[in-house]
Amino acid sequence: RKEVEQDPGPFNVPEGATVAFNCTYSNSASQSFFWYRQDCRKEPKLLMSVYSSGNEDGRFTAQLNRASQYISLLIRDSKLSDSATYLCVVNRNAGNMLTFGGGTRLMVKP
Amino acid sequence: GAVVSQHPSRVICKSGTSVKIECRSLDFQATTMFWYRQFPKQSLMLMATSNEGSKATYEQGVEKDKFLINHASLTLSTLTVTSAHPEDSSFYICSAGRGTQYFGPGTRLLVL
Repeated sequence: RKEVEQDPGPFNVPEGATVAFNCTYSNSASQSFFWYRQDCRKEPKLLMSVYSSGNEDGRFTAQLNRASQYISLLIRDSKLSDSATYLCVVNRNAGNMLTFGGGTRLMVKP
Repeated sequence: GAVVSQHPSRVICKSGTSVKIECRSLDFQATTMFWYRQFPKQSLMLMATSNEGSKATYEQGVEKDKFLINHASLTLSTLTVTSAHPEDSSFYICSAGRGTQYFGPGTRLLVL
């Protein structure tokens, strides 16, 4: 079983749609959780951290369920510029070593 | 915010040659940096942890004699791919940061 699992997609949605991505992780000792965005042939960029209480940043909402070891990302009012691969990322231990999910590809169409 | 740079951004070399990739933290000191590799249509895989002033820690399956890491200062780590072969062709990315990790722009290596 992979340490961090994601549905690879692609998710093809029209502009303005709401789309949700899910992620599960296997290491119950993981402390920090993130969503990164990666554009084609570019480096990953931090989208948002994920907190137990859930957090929102504009059109993006992230939630964490530690009991189920499950992380989600909700994107509202999708824009064409949201098209990218979204990486669910979990830190491996108390340090900064990160484990990446395989990524979920999103394509927002006009 | 934190900025991490990498050089070169792209390199093409002949099989058997060695290639050095630099990773710099531009506005903060990093005692630890991380090196990742990403093959096409796959996710990032951690190769090694670069530790300033001491030996790097390699992930299982990554040959330390093949991928030499040097972290001689608090702002610079280098990864040298020795005797590169076509199967080493990949996107190499470093990261650094206190808590949140910031990624360099990556180095695309093509070994002919």
